[in-house]
Amino acid sequence: GQSLEQPSEVTAVEGAIVQINCTYQTSGFYGLSWYQQHDGGAPTFLSYNALDGLEETGRFSSFLSRSDSYGYLLLQELQMKDSASYFCAVSPNSGGYQKVTFGTGTKLQVIP
Amino acid sequence: DVKVTQSSRYLVKRTGEKVFLECVQDMDHENMFWYRQDPGLGLRLIYFSYDVKMKEKGDIPEGYSVSREKKERFSLILESASTNQTSMYLCASSFGRPYSGNTIYFGEGSWLTVV
Repeated sequence: GQSLEQPSEVTAVEGAIVQINCTYQTSGFYGLSWYQQHDGGAPTFLSYNALDGLEETGRFSSFLSRSDSYGYLLLQELQMKDSASYFCAVSPNSGGYQKVTFGTGTKLQVIP
Repeated sequence: DVKVTQSSRYLVKRTGEKVFLECVQDMDHENMFWYRQDPGLGLRLIYFSYDVKMKEKGDIPEGYSVSREKKERFSLILESASTNQTSMYLCASSFGRPYSGNTIYFGEGSWLTVV
C-alpha cells in the first residue's frame, strides 16, 4: 500500500521561499507528482519527478529521493496567489497505475 | 485545455435517496476517476475506470457504484445516501501514460450534503 505524509499547515512571507515536504511509505511507484488546489477550486497539476533529483518549472521546483523515501516542493518568490493547498501523489507500479494515492495535503498561507 | 465538467456543483439530498453525480471529459482520456475529499483526509479514490464499461474499486468503494457507458462520461451513484457521505466529490480523467506521470485533470467538484 501507499502512505504519504505532509505537514498540515505552513505559513510563509510574501517574497520568501518555502519548502513543503512529503515523506512516504510505498511498495513502489512510477514517480512523485504535486498538485495545487485553491479554496473552492479543482486540484491542478504542478510537477512530476520520475527520477531522483530536482525538477524546475519557473518559481516552483520539486525534488525526489527514493533512497530517503522523501520529496519536497519548493516555492520561490512567494506571491499571495500561492496561498493554496498542495498535495503530493504517487502512481503505483503494481496493482494498477491508475490507483494514485494522494497525501493529506499542506495548506500554505502566504502573509504580507 | 482539458475540461472535466461535473453536472452539479451543490446538492442537498435526504438520507436514503439515490444520488447520481455525472461527469464528462472532452479530451478522449482512457481513465476516469471519482475521488472524495474531506478535511484532513486528502483525496481518497472511490472508483476508477480505464475503459468503457470497465471499472475498478479504489480505496473506499463501499456505498458507491459507478457507470461508464460512453468514453467521455463517468457517473457516480450513491444507492442509498447516508449522512457520512456528506463530502466534496471530485471527478477526474487522465491519459493512459503511467511512465510520464499520469497527470490527472480534475473537475470543479460537487458538494453533496445528505440530511
